[in-house]
Amino acid sequence: EDKVVQSPLSLVVHEGDTVTLNCSYEVTNFRSLLWYKQEKKAPTFLFMLTSSGIEKKSGRLSSILDKKELSSILNITATQTGDSAIYLCAVGTTSGTYKYIFGTGTRLKVLA
Amino acid sequence: DADVTQTPRNRITKTGKRIMLECSQTKGHDRMYWYRQDPGLGLRLIYYSFDVKDINKGEISDGYSVSRQAQAKFSLSLESAIPNQTALYFCATSDRTSGGHNEQFFGPGTRLTVL
Repeated sequence: EDKVVQSPLSLVVHEGDTVTLNCSYEVTNFRSLLWYKQEKKAPTFLFMLTSSGIEKKSGRLSSILDKKELSSILNITATQTGDSAIYLCAVGTTSGTYKYIFGTGTRLKVLA
Repeated sequence: DADVTQTPRNRITKTGKRIMLECSQTKGHDRMYWYRQDPGLGLRLIYYSFDVKDINKGEISDGYSVSRQAQAKFSLSLESAIPNQTALYFCATSDRTSGGHNEQFFGPGTRLTVL
């Protein structure tokens, strides 16, 4: 059975700290790994990683895909209160037909 | 204007009632999805459609049905709602270009409560 596991489930840090969120997966026919940020409602896209693009960076956020370890990390440096959100990891797979499997998310709270 | 819209945004109903949640998109995407989100369980796929004539069950399709009326419209129905279908429901779309390796765009969500 395909599955995506995120850790930790929740995290509380202070402004300025650096955090690392983890996503591991067991899927057949891996195609892509996506990170989303969910604040109050709809998830919004952060990064997509594939075999041809295993590292992405945008401002204080960066992500790396480790296909050997079947995992990815999302790093946030110099955290701000606006980073408080649920961070979701999703894996695109062609088991059957193409679809995305989501992890349960990591809830990050950044204190001022 | 929002690219992916959902109606209604909130709904309270009673056990046994038939409910339809609607999703419309202006992104021109072929692929549309329905998810539900429950605390501690993340997003789980109910149904997905890769074009008007292609509809597929996701991991939790029991108790739900869908209709792809047009490329831009994808509706989710609960024929006889039950309390454990209380959840936040999201519609999403994605583009099929680049082999389908694309981000999903989510609607604002529908909060459904079944009493």
